Amino acid sequence: DTGVSQNPRHKITKRGQNVTFRCDPISEHNRLYWYRQTLGQGPEFLTYFQNEAQLEKSRLLSDRFSAERPKGSFSTLEIQRTEQGDSAMYLCASSLGTTGLAKNIQYFGAGTRLSVL
Amino acid sequence: KQEVTQIPAALSVPEGENLVLNCSFTDSAIYNLQWFRQDPGKGLTSLLLIQSSQREQTSGRLNASLDKSSGRSTLYIAASQPGDSATYLCAVFGNEKLTFGTGTRLTIIP
Repeated sequence: DTGVSQNPRHKITKRGQNVTFRCDPISEHNRLYWYRQTLGQGPEFLTYFQNEAQLEKSRLLSDRFSAERPKGSFSTLEIQRTEQGDSAMYLCASSLGTTGLAKNIQYFGAGTRLSVL
Repeated sequence: KQEVTQIPAALSVPEGENLVLNCSFTDSAIYNLQWFRQDPGKGLTSLLLIQSSQREQTSGRLNASLDKSSGRSTLYIAASQPGDSATYLCAVFGNEKLTFGTGTRLTIIP
C-alpha cells in the first residue's frame, strides 16, 4: 500500500477556469476527508465521505465547490469559476472509519497546491 | 465550535537545546490529539497520536502529553537538531473531523 495519493501535485490556473483534483485513499479506508490550507494557517475541514456518501460539508465549501466519491474509492474535488482566494493547498486524508480506536486515525496525502492567477 | 491555539507562533533555539511547544483546545470532547510536522510547501507528517484515554506518547526524541480536562497538550523535543526545523501542527479529532491549530514555526540554529 502506497498511502494516500493526490494528483496533480501543483495546479496553476487563470481566474474563472474550472479545476479538478483527485484523491486516491488507502485501500479499504471507508472515510475520506478534504481539507484546505492557506498560507500561514492550519488546514481547515471542507468535507468528508463515508464510502460514497458525503456526510458533512463545511461552510467554507461554497456553491462553486463540489466533491464526489462515486464508487466509494477515489474522490474528486472540483472548483468552478476559480477566484484568487481559492489559492491554497488542498489536502486529502483517509481513515478506516470503523469501530475501535484506529478508526479515527487519518492519513494524509502530499496535497495539491492550487495557484489562481 | 472547537478552537485550537498554538503558542508560540514561531520559535528559534540553538542546536542541542530541549524545547516545548504548546497546544490548547476549547472543547474537551475529543477522541484523540495528533502532532504533525510540515516542511515548507509540503504535506503533513504525523509525529505522535494520543488517544483521549492516554496521558502521553513517546517516539524517539519526541514526547507528547495530553491533559484533556484542562484542554492542553505539549510536544517536547529533546536535543534539537537543525533537521527539526519545520512547522509543527497540533490537531484534535472530535465531531468526526480534525481541527487544527495555526502551527508553531520552529527554527533550530546550528
